[in-house]
Amino acid sequence: DTGVSQNPRHKITKRGQNVTFRCDPISEHNRLYWYRQTLGQGPEFLTYFQNEAQLEKSRLLSDRFSAERPKGSFSTLEIQRTEQGDSAMYLCASSPASLGGWTSTDTQYFGPGTRLTVL
Amino acid sequence: TQLLEQSPQFLSIQEGENLTVYCNSSSVFSSLQWYRQEPGEGPVLLVTVVTGGEVKKLKRLTFQFGDARKDSSLHITAAQPGDTGLYLCAGGRVTSGSRLTFGEGTQLTVNP
Repeated sequence: DTGVSQNPRHKITKRGQNVTFRCDPISEHNRLYWYRQTLGQGPEFLTYFQNEAQLEKSRLLSDRFSAERPKGSFSTLEIQRTEQGDSAMYLCASSPASLGGWTSTDTQYFGPGTRLTVL
Repeated sequence: TQLLEQSPQFLSIQEGENLTVYCNSSSVFSSLQWYRQEPGEGPVLLVTVVTGGEVKKLKRLTFQFGDARKDSSLHITAAQPGDTGLYLCAGGRVTSGSRLTFGEGTQLTVNP
């Protein structure tokens, strides 16, 4: 299967602990996105990378959140000092956008998500 | 602020019925994508529409992008239990970089 993969699929942690999620995009997709989805809502944009460069961050991404894509392939999203309000599904998506910039046809393909529960 | 409004939020119908889901905005989008999501899984892309007035068909599903690129609809003919899921519309704008703006979704249940 060559789709977007995410690990772990589920994470239960205690408040105050740090957690890290991993996303492996579709190979050769140079754009990678992180979204957060809470129950009953659509996904909300967090951040995205073009290769290894983090080009945009949402105001939802507080200073407890950090994302990296060191070699332009897989990405990690870390949450420090987790809070109960961080409980959500964290979704990763990738896109085959060209280096020339985003176009209206750049479709994003999502992974299965990581479900985080903070107790 | 939810820029994309989906309606209805919940829909429960019998197998064989037809239905339409709407996605509306006061803003113009460069493209609009429809996804279906099942519990505990990520959204799966159904279609991307980019041209105002565009109509795309995917078996029993018909997608339309409004002429002004502010709204879209998804019509399902002869719904089946396998169509059950959360249907999400998501809009993209060149001015917003790569981010997608999602609606809240329509939870569809098709009863056998």
